[in-house]
Amino acid sequence: EPEVTQTPSHQVTQMGQEVILRCVPISNHLYFYWYRQILGQKVEFLVSFYNNEISEKSEIFDDQFSVERPDGSNFTLKIRSTKLEDSAMYFCASSDVGASYNSPLHFGNGTRLTVT
Amino acid sequence: KNQVEQSPQSLIILEGKNCTLQCNYTVSPFSNLRWYKQDTGRGPVSLTIMTFSENTKSNGRYTATLDADTKQSSLHITASQLSDSASYICVVSPGGYQKVTFGTGTKLQVIP
Repeated sequence: EPEVTQTPSHQVTQMGQEVILRCVPISNHLYFYWYRQILGQKVEFLVSFYNNEISEKSEIFDDQFSVERPDGSNFTLKIRSTKLEDSAMYFCASSDVGASYNSPLHFGNGTRLTVT
Repeated sequence: KNQVEQSPQSLIILEGKNCTLQCNYTVSPFSNLRWYKQDTGRGPVSLTIMTFSENTKSNGRYTATLDADTKQSSLHITASQLSDSASYICVVSPGGYQKVTFGTGTKLQVIP
């Protein structure tokens, strides 16, 4: 069964550094998302991406965050200058239709980002 | 403010027993409600998706119910197995675009 893959599984970085989290969504999916989950807390929406542009973003997704689909397969989340509070598990997800329709979101297994 | 509340926060049951997890939401407008299973350190996996017109949806030993009038949903697990140990997350879509609201989850532990 096709799956969403994320790399790396764990990333450690120093405060102020830039990080890029990578995702390969399911190949025929059109909608892509990033979520984060701070340890012990609920999953939070960051951003959705469709047709090569951001379709919606949360208040968490400020100017230090950006997303890109540099080619036909990868979907990346860049954090420009990491802060301690960016430490979290970041999940990529994809779907074939929008979330308001009855199609499941397929999640990757996440990248655990630790900012020191 | 859109909110999704789940109860209990955690639950321990014996293998083979049944259990029911609850989800109350205030998300409006409402498009659909999903239940996900999240194993520790893994991404959530979809169990069921229900629209406002659906009262119940089953997926193997998992049965979800929805009362759109009272804005409540439940997930019933029958004949629990050790592999059911996970967090179960209720997720509600507001009918907008992708700003789904996640509940805090119920952590289920099935013991032998």
